[in-house]
Amino acid sequence: AQTVTQSQPEMSVQEAETVTLSCTYDTSESDYYLFWYKQPPSRQMILVIRQEAYKQQNATENRFSVNFQKAAKSFSLKISDSQLGDAAMYFCAYFPYGGATNKLIFGTGTLLAVQP
Amino acid sequence: DAGVIQSPRHEVTEMGQEVTLRCKPISGHNSLFWYRQTMMRGLELLIYFNNNVPIDDSGMPEDRFSAKMPNASFSTLKIQPSEPRDSAVYFCASTLGSTDTQYFGPGTRLTVL
Repeated sequence: AQTVTQSQPEMSVQEAETVTLSCTYDTSESDYYLFWYKQPPSRQMILVIRQEAYKQQNATENRFSVNFQKAAKSFSLKISDSQLGDAAMYFCAYFPYGGATNKLIFGTGTLLAVQP
Repeated sequence: DAGVIQSPRHEVTEMGQEVTLRCKPISGHNSLFWYRQTMMRGLELLIYFNNNVPIDDSGMPEDRFSAKMPNASFSTLKIQPSEPRDSAVYFCASTLGSTDTQYFGPGTRLTVL
């Protein structure tokens, strides 16, 4: 079964500093997508970044970047120049491309606090 | 462009009552997903539709839950009768193409007393 593991239930970072959130996954598929979603206190699920497994280049969106290690099945999120608005729960998610069911599989989340 | 719209944002009801949650996907998107989020189970897929047709409802917990998508711009998730253990946040998400990025609505927080 495909699983997503986020081993850090909580993280804290100082404003303007950099923080890395960890995610590992287990799959036998070779083609899939990986996502990071952000859920602030408003509970809206907001897409942060997406990575296609076939791409070797790590995805980047402004202050957000990933370190995708396919062989290690690792997909960490780096947030640079952290801002107070980055405080939220962050979910890593896996999606099997062309799978039998189009199911996003989520990790348990990492709660990020940003200290002023 | 408006995102996914869900209503109501909050619902409080008593055990045994019927509850209907509503979702309007992003215009042009042809796949729609219903998720439930609880502390115990995290985010779990309940059902998804492709071109208004239910494709996978294996996540629907039991017969008390039903979902419909009568047209491309509207879907409902109904719980009848509701139970306290149904209390959760219910999300709707839509995509253009069932394998594309899913965009979530703001969620409906359901409390069953």
